[in-house]
Formats: sequence, structure tokens, C-alpha cells
Amino acid sequence: DAGVTQSPTHLIKTRGQQVTLRCSPKSGHDTVSWYQQALGQGPQFIFQYYEEEERQRGNFPDRFSGHQFPNYSSELNVNALLLGDSALYLCASSLNPGGRMNEQFFGPGTRLTVL
Amino acid sequence: GDSVTQMEGPVTLSEEACLTINCTYTATGYPSLFWYVQYPGEGLQLLLKATKADDKGSNKGFEATYRKETTSFHLEKGSVQVSDSAVYFCALSDRGGGYQKVTFGTGTKLQVIP
Repeated sequence: DAGVTQSPTHLIKTRGQQVTLRCSPKSGHDTVSWYQQALGQGPQFIFQYYEEEERQRGNFPDRFSGHQFPNYSSELNVNALLLGDSALYLCASSLNPGGRMNEQFFGPGTRLTVL
Repeated sequence: GDSVTQMEGPVTLSEEACLTINCTYTATGYPSLFWYVQYPGEGLQLLLKATKADDKGSNKGFEATYRKETTSFHLEKGSVQVSDSAVYFCALSDRGGGYQKVTFGTGTKLQVIP
């Protein structure tokens, strides 16, 4: 059983460019959350997708947007990249957003470097 | 809003020493509490969890007890090994509007030396 997969592993972009990161959830999971982890920091919640809609959003600007497809996979898009967007982007999947016990399974992340 | 505060690292211990990593939280609701571990070059792995007051989560010799009265969830292990070297994150999960959101602490790096 494949766990959460993310692509690409590493990415280098320049300021002002746009980037798309991809995530496939663990088999059987229907909810995808995205996190940004700056170097030496804990992950910060960006947003969560369920039933192809954004259900919750953290304190991130509109430059950060996402999408969930019918097969539950998800994309994270970041426009007008800034140097401060350099980070490890983590995707986590879980089985439906209801219930307090839902464990989120994390992917290995995409390392984005903005020059 | 929700927040998690954990002790700063790095924490350096000799093999077989006792470990305690302190974690306290602030939440508006009644959250579930977690410890995640991140080994070098890898993603986050759930280490243990607790969902209600006085619950004790345990795994791989690590344990933590949900203390509602002190809003704490300290991670402990009686005898650490070199293989325990990693970054440990305390986290809470609260249901905002019915949807789950996880808030993490800044992480504590543990180095275990032989």
C-alpha cells in the first residue's frame, strides 16, 4: 500500500514565477491538507480539501491556491513567488474531516527553493 | 487561536539517558494531542496520540499523558537510543467548523550520542 506521495521532490524557481506541487493521498483517504515547513520551524497549515472544495484555510495569502481532483489527489499552486516561500511543502491525507481521532499521514514533502 | 509551545533544542543526551520534552498548548476547544517525529531527510511520522484528559499515548518506549489541568502533553522515554535522534513535534488537532486542522509546535531536535 503506497503511502502519501508528492512530486516533485525538489524544485528551484526564481522570484515572480509560479509553481505547482502535486500530492496523491494514501489509498482510501479522501481529505488532503497542505503545510509549509520553513527551515527549523514546525509545519504551518495552509489549507485542507475535501470533496473537491477548500474547507479550512490557514493564514496564507491568496497567492496560495489549491485544487482537489475526483480521485482525491491534490495540487498546491503558488503565484508570484517570493524568497520567503522557500520551504518544505508537506501534504497530509486522512479519511474524511469528521471525528477528532483522524490521523493525518504525511508525505515526504517537496523542497521548494526560490532564488 | 490555537498554539503549541515546546522546549527549544537541541537536546543532547547520552545513550540510555532519560528524556523529557515539554509541551504546553492553548486551544479554544477540546483538542486531540499528538507527537510527531521527523527523521533526517524524511517526512513526519505520528509517534503517539491522546484524545481526552488523562489519556496516555505510548509507542516505541515513548509516552505522553494528556493533562487538561496544566494544558500539557510532555514526551518521555526512560532510555533513549542513538536511533531516536530526530526532531520531535508536539501538535494539536481541533475541529474548526467540523473540519480538522493540525497546529504544530516549532520542534525539538534530539541528539543521542553513544
